Amino acid sequence: DVKVTQSSRYLVKRTGEKVFLECVQDMDHENMFWYRQDPGLGLRLIYFSYDVKMKEKGDIPEGYSVSREKKERFSLILESASTNQTSMYLCASSPPTRNAEAFFGQGTRLTVV
Amino acid sequence: EDKVVQSPLSLVVHEGDTVTLNCSYEVTNFRSLLWYKQEKKAPTFLFMLTSSGIEKKSGRLSSILDKKELFSILNITATQTGDSAIYLCAGSGNTGKLIFGQGTTLQVKP
Repeated sequence: DVKVTQSSRYLVKRTGEKVFLECVQDMDHENMFWYRQDPGLGLRLIYFSYDVKMKEKGDIPEGYSVSREKKERFSLILESASTNQTSMYLCASSPPTRNAEAFFGQGTRLTVV
Repeated sequence: EDKVVQSPLSLVVHEGDTVTLNCSYEVTNFRSLLWYKQEKKAPTFLFMLTSSGIEKKSGRLSSILDKKELFSILNITATQTGDSAIYLCAGSGNTGKLIFGQGTTLQVKP
């Protein structure tokens, strides 16, 4: 079974803190994604990585950065957390095949106070 | 800019009803359209559609793609309370990037 594991299910952080969300996949997938999910807005793509050290901005990259030093791990970094970054964060991975499904982690619900 | 739009955003039906969920897309170098179901956890994969007019079916769920009109529908017949979920549609281009719509929240009442 494909497994995508996010390091935390729930996180509470203070405004201004630097926050790291970690995601690890065990299927040797090239593609990895970070989304945030808010009611009525669906999943919005923050960043996409198609290989180690390669990344592409999604629709809402402002306030976020990412790191992909190893193929299996994709980290999302909130440089200075703000209350409007309170959300559900979902990580996903997929193989490089053009027509392939993405597999999701369980999500991290981040609250910034 | 790539875009995926779902309608309706929410729907309430009674058990036994049939529902149709809509998804329209504008995706550069389009390759596939995917449907996911999300309950109180990670989205789970339902269908991937790449060719127009070919229906994909799994039990009471079915889906079809129209590449000329740039839309897809997901049908659920004889709905059950266990079908209550958020249904997500995503478009994929040749880079592998997945763009999702807003989701349709379906509530099935007993």
